[in-house]
Amino acid sequence: AQSVAQPEDQVNVAEGNPLTVKCTYSVSGNPYLFWYVQYPNRGLQFLLKYITGDNLVKGSYGFEAEFNKSQTSFHLKKPSALVSDSALYFCAVRDGSSNTGKLIFGQGTTLQVKP
Amino acid sequence: DAGVIQSPRHEVTEMGQEVTLRCKPISGHNSLFWYRQTMMRGLELLIYFNNNVPIDDSGMPEDRFSAKMPNASFSTLKIQPSEPRDSAVYFCASSTPGTGAYGYTFGSGTRLTVV
Repeated sequence: AQSVAQPEDQVNVAEGNPLTVKCTYSVSGNPYLFWYVQYPNRGLQFLLKYITGDNLVKGSYGFEAEFNKSQTSFHLKKPSALVSDSALYFCAVRDGSSNTGKLIFGQGTTLQVKP
Repeated sequence: DAGVIQSPRHEVTEMGQEVTLRCKPISGHNSLFWYRQTMMRGLELLIYFNNNVPIDDSGMPEDRFSAKMPNASFSTLKIQPSEPRDSAVYFCASSTPGTGAYGYTFGSGTRLTVV
């Protein structure tokens, strides 16, 4: 069975500092990994994905994520946080060996960037 | 493209009433997903369709919930009778063919309040 864990309910950083939002996953086949962001009263927006290739993937708004197979992790990072990055972030995984399209989401991590 | 369109945006209803939520996926997307988001349980997959056929409804909480997709451009999620614990934000999402490598596009959600 697939599962995703986001161990932190909330991450607080100061504007201009680097940020990391953690995600670990469990899947029986090849992992397809995704990050989404949700702003208040909005739907989830796609940030980036890892399917294959380079372990470091770059996405929207200056975010990037590093796939680490040995640690089964896919942490979201940004070198310099902005106040406007404050939002709810979701990690999601799909079993790439399966022919279903079901994504399993983590519980979400609230990112708070303070000026 | 207008994206995934959900209606209504907000719904307030009395306990025991029937509620119907609607979703229009992106044209050409052949997978459609219904999610429910609450503070307590996070983002839960209720049901998903491939090519208008329900594939996995194991997340539907009980018989009061039903979902249909009569054609490629329309889906409904119905709750009958509604209960206060059904209060949540309900999201619809769609995805392209060969869903493995692609993420979902989410609608803006329907905020349901059952009083």
